[in-house]
Amino acid sequence: QSALTQPASVSGSPGQSITISCTGTSSDVGGYNYVSWYQQHPGKAPKLMIYEVSNRPSGVSNRFSGSKSGNTASLTISGLQAEDEADYYCSSYTSSSTLENWVFGGGTKLTVL
Amino acid sequence: QVQLVQSGAEVKKPGASVKVSCKASGYTFTGYYMHWVRQAPGQGLEWMGRINPNSGGTNYAQKFQGRVTMTRDTSISTAYMELSRLRSDDTAVYYCARATILSTHFDYWGQGTLVTVSS
Repeated sequence: QSALTQPASVSGSPGQSITISCTGTSSDVGGYNYVSWYQQHPGKAPKLMIYEVSNRPSGVSNRFSGSKSGNTASLTISGLQAEDEADYYCSSYTSSSTLENWVFGGGTKLTVL
Repeated sequence: QVQLVQSGAEVKKPGASVKVSCKASGYTFTGYYMHWVRQAPGQGLEWMGRINPNSGGTNYAQKFQGRVTMTRDTSISTAYMELSRLRSDDTAVYYCARATILSTHFDYWGQGTLVTVSS
C-alpha cells in the first residue's frame, strides 16, 4: 500500500483535459510544498513533469500543470495528445520526529482513447 | 548535459548482496544529493534512501534500515547502493535520481538496473 493515494487509471480523448489526484496527509502533501509529478513510459525511467506543487521544468509542455488544496495535490493535462499516454506518479517529502522520507503514490495509468 | 549511467543487470541468489553503481557527469557531483528508488515488476515507485556526496551522510527508509548501504567515490563521481540479504521480493529495477540539497524533487534519473533474485 502506497503512502499517497492516486486513482489507478484515468482516460481521455485527444484534445480533452484530465486531472489526476494525489491524496496524502498533513505530514506530507498538506504539510509541505514539496509535491512533484513524474511521467513514466513503459520500460523507461521516470521523467520530472512538475515540482514544488506547480512549477514546470524547462522543456516540459505548458499543457501540464499542478496544484494543491489541503492534503490533495492534482496534475492536470490539457489538450491531451497520444504521447501523453503513460503512468504518472506523485511524490512528496514527509517527516516524522525521527525520520526523513520521500513517498510516492501508487501511480495512475493514463489512457488516451 | 546531466547524465546518470548505472551498472548492468544482475542476477542474485536469495541471501546474497548486490551493489549497483551510478556514474554522474555533466554537473558538480558533490553539489547534489543522490537518491535511490526502486520499482518492482508492474508496481509503483519506492524510495529507499539518499546520500550526500559531499559529506557521505545518508538517510535510509525505515523499511531498508540494516540492509542497505549507500556510498560514493567522489574521485570518479559515482554513487553506490548495496542491498544485502536479498529476498525474491527485492526483484526490481533500481534507479538513482539526482536531487538538490533541499531534495524537493528528483530532476534527473539513471536508466535503471534490473536486479533479479532467484534460486
